[in-house]
Amino acid sequence: EPEVTQTPSHQVTQMGQEVILRCVPISNHLYFYWYRQILGQKVEFLVSFYNNEISEKSEIFDDQFSVERPDGSNFTLKIRSTKLEDSAMYFCASSAGEALGQYFGPGTRLLVL
Amino acid sequence: QKEVEQNSGPLSVPEGAIASLNCTYSDRGSQSFFWYRQYSGKSPELIMSIYSNGDKEDGRFTAQLNKASQYVSLLIRDSQPSDSATYLCAVTGGSSNTGKLIFGQGTTLQVKP
Repeated sequence: EPEVTQTPSHQVTQMGQEVILRCVPISNHLYFYWYRQILGQKVEFLVSFYNNEISEKSEIFDDQFSVERPDGSNFTLKIRSTKLEDSAMYFCASSAGEALGQYFGPGTRLLVL
Repeated sequence: QKEVEQNSGPLSVPEGAIASLNCTYSDRGSQSFFWYRQYSGKSPELIMSIYSNGDKEDGRFTAQLNKASQYVSLLIRDSQPSDSATYLCAVTGGSSNTGKLIFGQGTTLQVKP
């Protein structure tokens, strides 16, 4: 069964450093998303991406964040200068349509020291 | 601020019983409704989607939607200890047409053998 994959599973970084989180969505899906979940809190939307451009972003997704689909399979989230409060689990998700169910990857646990 | 509300629980049921999980949402224009299961430390797993008023059954799971009352529920029949997890309600549509999911806090279900 096709699944969303994410790398790395864990990332520890120093405050102010850049991190890139990688995702391979399900191959025939066209809609891609990033969410994050701070420990003990709700899953929060960060950004949606369709047709090689951002279709919506949340208030969390400020100028320090960017997304890219560098080739036909990968989807990346970059945080340019990490802050302590960026520590969270980051989930990539994909779907076949914007109204259809989204399938989540296993997540990347980011810890900013 | 569009909200999705769930009772955080824990909801404790004996093995073999019916577990009933509830969710309300504030955006009357919401169009798609999902239930996700999340085991501790893992990613959300899509278990049910529902788009129109009424009931939708899939195996031991039944989702119920009442748009007039802005209410979604999930029934789990013949609950098993392996069903012990946090169940997340998520909605999309309304003011956003990009597939952005708004999640509730989740209800923790404990199924006791």
